Amino acid sequence: EVQLVESGGGLVQPGGSLRLSCAASGFSFSAHYMDWVRQAPGEGLEWVGRTRNQANSYTTEYATSVKGRFIISRDDSKNSIYLQMNSLKTEDTAVYYCVRVGLSYDLGFWGQGTLVTVSS
Amino acid sequence: DIQMTQSPSSLSASVGDRVTITCRASQDINNYLTWFQQTPGKAPKILIHDASGLQGGVPSRFSGSGSGTDFTLTISSLQVEDFATYYCQQHKSYPLTFGGGTKVEIK
Repeated sequence: EVQLVESGGGLVQPGGSLRLSCAASGFSFSAHYMDWVRQAPGEGLEWVGRTRNQANSYTTEYATSVKGRFIISRDDSKNSIYLQMNSLKTEDTAVYYCVRVGLSYDLGFWGQGTLVTVSS
Repeated sequence: DIQMTQSPSSLSASVGDRVTITCRASQDINNYLTWFQQTPGKAPKILIHDASGLQGGVPSRFSGSGSGTDFTLTISSLQVEDFATYYCQQHKSYPLTFGGGTKVEIK
């Protein structure tokens, strides 16, 4: 059974940092690209970024809104991806979802999400 | 960035109704379009990939069509469990972008 379990969410002050983790199981993790997508309370979905697989040199892509502040990384030996969030702003408050990218480059499987609240 | 515009933003329908949601891209995205369903408090679930490919396990009352800039999600006979919010999303180019969502409510 495919599982994605996010952790690390919580309350952080503006300007602070937080690191989210996503533990994967039930599939060949190292073969897949992995994404982060977020959803502010009561709002729609916003793509945050992507890490490609080893075959594609673990390269990354980011949304303009987070570029330079957020860093996506992965550890294939631990079947995990990470989202390092720096210089956090109140508008970064959202549920953050870890997503497995499918063979057709679709966002095929989502974790249950972890809530990040940026507030003083 | 490619803008994705969904319409309507909300609709009311009855069980058994045929429901159609449209999604328009600001530029040609070929068929690189995905449809998702999200119920309150849950993660989105993929319904349709590559504009018209039914994801495994998704009921056949869901269908997708379109190519280029105009796309449609159709629910042929609305069921109770289909009351949810639906999103389209393009993966033609970065940044990936979503439509604003269509909330399907009970009439």
